[in-house]
Amino acid sequence: EDKVVQSPLSLVVHEGDTVTLNCSYEVTNFRSLLWYKQEKKAPTFLFMLTSSGIEKKSGRLSSILDKKELFSILNITATQTGDSAIYLCAVEPTGSGSRLTFGEGTQLTVNP
Amino acid sequence: KAGVTQTPRYLIKTRGQQVTLSCSPISGHRSVSWYQQTPGQGLQFLFEYFSETQRNKGNFPGRFSGRQFSNSRSEMNVSTLELGDSALYLCASSRLAGGYEQYFGPGTRLTVT
Repeated sequence: EDKVVQSPLSLVVHEGDTVTLNCSYEVTNFRSLLWYKQEKKAPTFLFMLTSSGIEKKSGRLSSILDKKELFSILNITATQTGDSAIYLCAVEPTGSGSRLTFGEGTQLTVNP
Repeated sequence: KAGVTQTPRYLIKTRGQQVTLSCSPISGHRSVSWYQQTPGQGLQFLFEYFSETQRNKGNFPGRFSGRQFSNSRSEMNVSTLELGDSALYLCASSRLAGGYEQYFGPGTRLTVT
């Protein structure tokens, strides 16, 4: 059974801090790893990673995948209060169709 | 481009009733997946439809079913509702099945009393 573990489960920082969120996984026949941000309702897509060692960046957010060690990290630099959200990590195996297995998420709170 | 839309946004039902939720994917997306989100279990995969065919199914009882229409819109049905079915039901669409980013709709908040 596919499994995703995120750490920490909860994190409180001050504006301007840099944070690193962790995601480790076990999946039979890995295809991709995805990061989402969930504020109130719908998870918002951030990154999809398929290749090891290639960093994806979007503004202050970046993510990298290590397929050998089976983990990914999401970095947020110069955090802002608007970054407060639950960050979800999910994995998708190969095979027919789309099927994501999610971790519990990391609740990030950024205080002014 | 419009995002994924779900209707209704909120729903209150009583035990034993049945419910149908609707999801319209992003234009051009042909795969629709459904997920249940609860505080205790997190986000769990229900099923996925592509080209009107169910491609994958999660570990949920047969009371949970779905279908997809030729225009890629999808519906999900839950029969004989139980209190434990209270959850946020999210659908996600992707361009094709497998290996593509999934974009989520706003969800339907179902409360079973």
